[in-house]
Amino acid sequence: GAVVSQHPSRVICKSGTSVKIECRSLDFQATTMFWYRQFPKQSLMLMATSNEGSKATYEQGVEKDKFLINHASLTLSTLTVTSAHPEDSSFYICSAERDRGTEAFFGQGTRLTVV
Amino acid sequence: DAKTTQPTSMDCAEGRAANLPCNHSTISGNEYVYWYRQIHSQGPQYIIHGLKNNETNEMASLIITEDRKSSTLILPHATLRDTAVYYCIVNNNDMRFGAGTRLTVKP
Repeated sequence: GAVVSQHPSRVICKSGTSVKIECRSLDFQATTMFWYRQFPKQSLMLMATSNEGSKATYEQGVEKDKFLINHASLTLSTLTVTSAHPEDSSFYICSAERDRGTEAFFGQGTRLTVV
Repeated sequence: DAKTTQPTSMDCAEGRAANLPCNHSTISGNEYVYWYRQIHSQGPQYIIHGLKNNETNEMASLIITEDRKSSTLILPHATLRDTAVYYCIVNNNDMRFGAGTRLTVKP
């Protein structure tokens, strides 16, 4: 299967600071990337869908000014958690599709801890 | 909201077939059924997908009923490493996950 690399895998940051998470499709061009958040013992919650070169589409209840998504190229999308607070601590996961509606390939996830 | 219904959990003996059901009674004619799994603390992994014909690959088989309102993922010889949460998704366009089925493969 195709490879999606997510970095960093684990990060600890202080409350009030910003954290950037990268999602790269290593061996294919991804027209669409998705960002998820997952709390312990819960399913993945879709945060936003991003297409290369256009603004991300955020799910209801997800603050776009707090979770900044940039999909600058067909192989890279970034999620920046701005002014992080302890309640933002979670497992963040990205996925990428070659073509919209086809199988998605996931990154290994980023565990964010805000202290 | 997810358009699928799956049992919360299932157990399977190692070496036996694991059959994971999924109901998707509101599926549209052009929507595929996709299966993913998530092993603890990892990103999900694509398993298989299908439209209306049964499908098989190196990981699993997918059986879709003729009316397409339900499907079954079959792991023919489950191993301990197949212990995971299995998610069934229809309409891969929006990629929303339901609660999935927690499969535990026991020795």
